[in-house]
Amino acid sequence: DAGVTQSPTHLIKTRGQQVTLRCSPKSGHDTVSWYQQALGQGPQFIFQYYEEEERQRGNFPDRFSGHQFPNYSSELNVNALLLGDSALYLCASSLLVGGGAMKYNSPLHFGNGTRLTVT
Amino acid sequence: AQSVTQPDIHITVSEGASLELRCNYSYGATPYLFWYVQSPGQGLQLLLKYFSGDTLVQGIKGFEAEFKRSQSSFNLRKPSVHWSDAAEYFCAVGAVNQAGTALIFGKGTTLSVSS
Repeated sequence: DAGVTQSPTHLIKTRGQQVTLRCSPKSGHDTVSWYQQALGQGPQFIFQYYEEEERQRGNFPDRFSGHQFPNYSSELNVNALLLGDSALYLCASSLLVGGGAMKYNSPLHFGNGTRLTVT
Repeated sequence: AQSVTQPDIHITVSEGASLELRCNYSYGATPYLFWYVQSPGQGLQLLLKYFSGDTLVQGIKGFEAEFKRSQSSFNLRKPSVHWSDAAEYFCAVGAVNQAGTALIFGKGTTLSVSS
């Protein structure tokens, strides 16, 4: 049973460029979340996708956008790259459970991340 | 505002010694609490979680954590540390709402194990 897979593993881009990162969730999961982990910091929540829609978003600018496909896989796009966007980008998948106002994610399964370096 | 504080940036313990990693959280409602471990160049692996019920939770690899609401703490413990436990440890708190759970992580504690 494959876990969460992310591609590419490493990427080097120049300021101002655009980048697309990809994630395939663990089999059976329907929700994908993206996190940014700067060096020496804990991961920060970017956004979460469920049923092909962005359901929650952290404190990140509109330069960060995403997409979820019918097979639950997801992409993270970052436009107009800045030096400060250099980080490890982690994808996590889960199941969204519960109902009404009390939904929560089953424990997140993380991929190994994509290391993005912006020069 | 929701937040997680891990007061210890770096801890070194001797192999076989006991371990306690501290975590304090600030959250307005019932928290959904986690401990994750990250080895170099790897993603995060879930050690244990707390949502409700027994405040002492058992996890993988011999770890346990205790939820103390009065102290807003969720400290991670292990009675006997192995060299393979050297890694980065993250405490996280999550919301339970109509959109699911977005985790807020602490800055992490680096654990070194000496022989």
